[in-house]
This record gives sequence, C-alpha cells and structure tokens, in this order.
Amino acid sequence: GQNIDQPTEMTATEGAIVQINCTYQTSGFNGLFWYQQHAGEAPTFLSYNVLDGLEEKGRFSSFLSRSKGYSYLLLKELQMKDSASYLCALMDSNYQLIWGAGTKLIIKP
Amino acid sequence: DADVTQTPRNRITKTGKRIMLECSQTKGHDRMYWYRQDPGLGLRLIYYSFDVKDINKGEISDGYSVSRQAQAKFSLSLESAIPNQTALYFCATSDREAHTGELFFGEGSRLTVL
Repeated sequence: GQNIDQPTEMTATEGAIVQINCTYQTSGFNGLFWYQQHAGEAPTFLSYNVLDGLEEKGRFSSFLSRSKGYSYLLLKELQMKDSASYLCALMDSNYQLIWGAGTKLIIKP
Repeated sequence: DADVTQTPRNRITKTGKRIMLECSQTKGHDRMYWYRQDPGLGLRLIYYSFDVKDINKGEISDGYSVSRQAQAKFSLSLESAIPNQTALYFCATSDREAHTGELFFGEGSRLTVL
C-alpha cells in the first residue's frame, strides 16, 4: 500500500528558513507534489518533482530522493503570508494522487 | 471570476436529505475530480472523470454519486445525507496534456449534516 507522513504542525519566525519534510512508502511512483492551502481556501500548486534533486522556484524549493522515499519543501525569507498548511502528495502508478494530512505552518513575528 | 466554481459554498442540511454540489470550470480541462477534506486527514478522492462519458470511483465513493453533464460540469450528489458526510468538499480539474498533472481546485463547498 501507500503511506505519506508529514509533521502536523511547525512554527517558524518571520524572515527565517523552514524545512517541511514528507516521507512516503509506495509501490509505484510518478511524482511528488507540494500544495499550499491557506485556512478556508483551496489548495494551490507549488511544486512537482519526479527526478531526484532540488527544484528551486523563488523563495520556495522542493527536494526529492526516490531511493529514500523522502521529500522536503524549503521556504526561505519567511513572510507572514506563508502561514498556511502545506500538503504533500504522491502520484502513484495509476497516476492517482495520494495526499498527506498536511503540515500547518505558523509564522511568528 | 474563478476558473473552477463550486455551488453552494456553504450548506447546512438534515440527515436523510438529498444534496447536490455543483462544479463548473472554464479551463477547458477534460479531467475533473471531487475530493473531501476532513480535519487531520489528507484529501480523499470521491469520484473522478476523465471525459464526459467516463466516471470512476475513488477511494471513498460509498454514499455519493456523480454526473458529468458536459465537459465543463461535474456534480456530486449525496442521495441521503448522514452526519459523517459533514466535510469540506473540493472540485478540481487537470489538463491531460500537462505532464505534471497539476490540479486546479474550486473554492470549496462546506457541508454540514445535522
């Protein structure tokens, strides 16, 4: 079967860097997604990794290690608006998305 | 205007009532999905459709049905609502040509079953 784990909640300080980890077990893999979801709003796409390595997009970067079943989302120069839940999701061998429960990130001044 | 629109945005109903949640999109995508989100759980797929004539059950389809009336419209029905169907429901679309499989979500429909 498939399983995704990510921390329930994290706290960080405005201007700092935070890394949100996601570990997974799956028999088939077609990519790893990160989405951002502000409270009461729809999830929005942040990143997609299918090959090992780091993908950088502005203040946000996403890393994947397929052999370790591990990904992280790195947020730099944190802003108050980055307070949100961050959802990790893997695309399985049937191209279906399996979602983690999300990590609630709290940014403090 | 939003590319993926859900109606109603909020609904309170009673056990046993029939409820329909509607979704329409202007993105021209073939693929549409219905998810539910519960606190502490990941998004769970209810039904999905890759084309007007294509309907597929997701992880948690029991108690739900769907209709794909047109490429742009995908509705979710609860024939006889029960309290554990209280949740936030999201419609989403994706472009089959996009290699990333990125999903575009509607704003959500919050359903409360008393």
